[in-house]
Amino acid sequence: AQSVSQHNHHVILSEAASLELGCNYSYGGTVNLFWYVQYPGQHLQLLLKYFSGDPLVKGIKGFEAEFIKSKFSFNLRKPSVQWSDTAEYFCAVTPVSYNTDKLIFGTGTRLQVFP
Amino acid sequence: EPEVTQTPSHQVTQMGQEVILRCVPISNHLYFYWYRQILGQKVEFLVSFYNNEISEKSEIFDDQFSVERPDGSNFTLKIRSTKLEDSAMYFCASSGQGQETQYFGPGTRLLVL
Repeated sequence: AQSVSQHNHHVILSEAASLELGCNYSYGGTVNLFWYVQYPGQHLQLLLKYFSGDPLVKGIKGFEAEFIKSKFSFNLRKPSVQWSDTAEYFCAVTPVSYNTDKLIFGTGTRLQVFP
Repeated sequence: EPEVTQTPSHQVTQMGQEVILRCVPISNHLYFYWYRQILGQKVEFLVSFYNNEISEKSEIFDDQFSVERPDGSNFTLKIRSTKLEDSAMYFCASSGQGQETQYFGPGTRLLVL
C-alpha cells in the first residue's frame, strides 16, 4: 500500500548528539516533501520542505534534510541537538503526480533530548 | 506572523450529538483543509476545500461530515451525529496555493462519550 514510513518511533538522545530521523515514501512520480515539528502543547510547525532543486534542504533551527529519489527517502538531520529540540517530528508527502494537494503523514517520531 | 486559529480547544460531547469545529485560516489563503489524529495514530487527511467547494475528501469523510465557509474568515467542520470513534484531535490547515506549504492550527480535541 502507498504510504509514508517513519521507522524511528521514539528516539532518546543527550544534548550535542547528532540526529538522523528516517522517512521513506512509496509514491511514484513527483512528490513534495515536508518535515513538521510539534513541540509539547503547540501546533504543527513547518521545519523544512522540498519541492525541487538542490536535494539537500536547510530548515529552521539548524535542521536539514536530504531527498534521495532513488531511495524514496527524505531523512531529517541535525548535527548537534539541544534540549529544546524535544518534540514530535512528522514527515509528510504530497504526491503531486496524483493530482492532489493533501498531506500524507508518517506516524511521527518522538524525540527526547536530555541535558 | 499570521496564524491559523481554532475553537474550541477542547470539546466533550455525547454520542449522537452534532458538533461544529471552527477554524480561522490565514487571511489571504485560498485553500483549506481538515485533518484528524486519533490518539496514537497518524495524522489523517479528511477534506480539502477551495473556491467554496470540496476539492477532495477521504474515505473517512462520509455523509456525517460537512464543511462550510460561512463568511470570509471562518472555515467549519460539522459532524452531524458523533460516534465514539470520532474522538480525535482535529487540525485545520490553510495554504496560499494548492500543493504548497500548509499552515496548521493548534487543533481541537474532541471527546465523544
